[in-house]
Amino acid sequence: SQQGEEDPQALSIQEGENATMNCSYKTSINNLQWYRQNSGRGLVHLILIRSNEREKHSGRLRVTLDTSKKSSSLLITASRAADTASYFCATGPYSGNTPLVFGKGTRLSVIA
Amino acid sequence: SQTIHQWPATLVQPVGSPLSLECTVEGTSNPNLYWYRQAAGRGLQLLFYSVGIGQISSEVPQNLSASRPQDRQFILSSKKLLLSDSGFYLCAWGRRGGGDTQYFGPGTRLTVL
Repeated sequence: SQQGEEDPQALSIQEGENATMNCSYKTSINNLQWYRQNSGRGLVHLILIRSNEREKHSGRLRVTLDTSKKSSSLLITASRAADTASYFCATGPYSGNTPLVFGKGTRLSVIA
Repeated sequence: SQTIHQWPATLVQPVGSPLSLECTVEGTSNPNLYWYRQAAGRGLQLLFYSVGIGQISSEVPQNLSASRPQDRQFILSSKKLLLSDSGFYLCAWGRRGGGDTQYFGPGTRLTVL
């Protein structure tokens, strides 16, 4: 079953603008991760934030996590045409070898 | 460094034919292995995962099966394909203990006609 729900489903912005995607989930988590998928390719891990962290940065990426609201956001600053892709959040549970649970993704289009 | 391979990259098969997709991982030992399916423009559906040789957990009852004959080899099979089996199949690995970063292969595009 899918736990993460990304919002919006699709986003179109101009190059240079910031892109914000949100993810909501339902149960307690150990961590939350964001992945990127270019069309017809495999997913690539972008960033992981643990449940005891509130904000994390990696280059032009900024991720926030609010465990009280069970939500996370991914901000891509100064977007580029090459950022065009689908972005998925995935929640990592606490127990043993239980797999990640992926959301349905946000399709981001950055127009040059 | 670790790498993950999937083949074939694309496959067109008639309804009722068998299927075998292979995934292998290099550069790590005792990985958790995963098979996902992705319909066009949709999210990922977890099909199977394995925490060790011969240990397979099925997430979705259907006409697909998985096997792990070796530590770093994961195979997805079907005896008779259905039209609804069309999709993009992704293999991934993660470190033992689960819940952390997964690393994905390049995927196999399967079209069942």
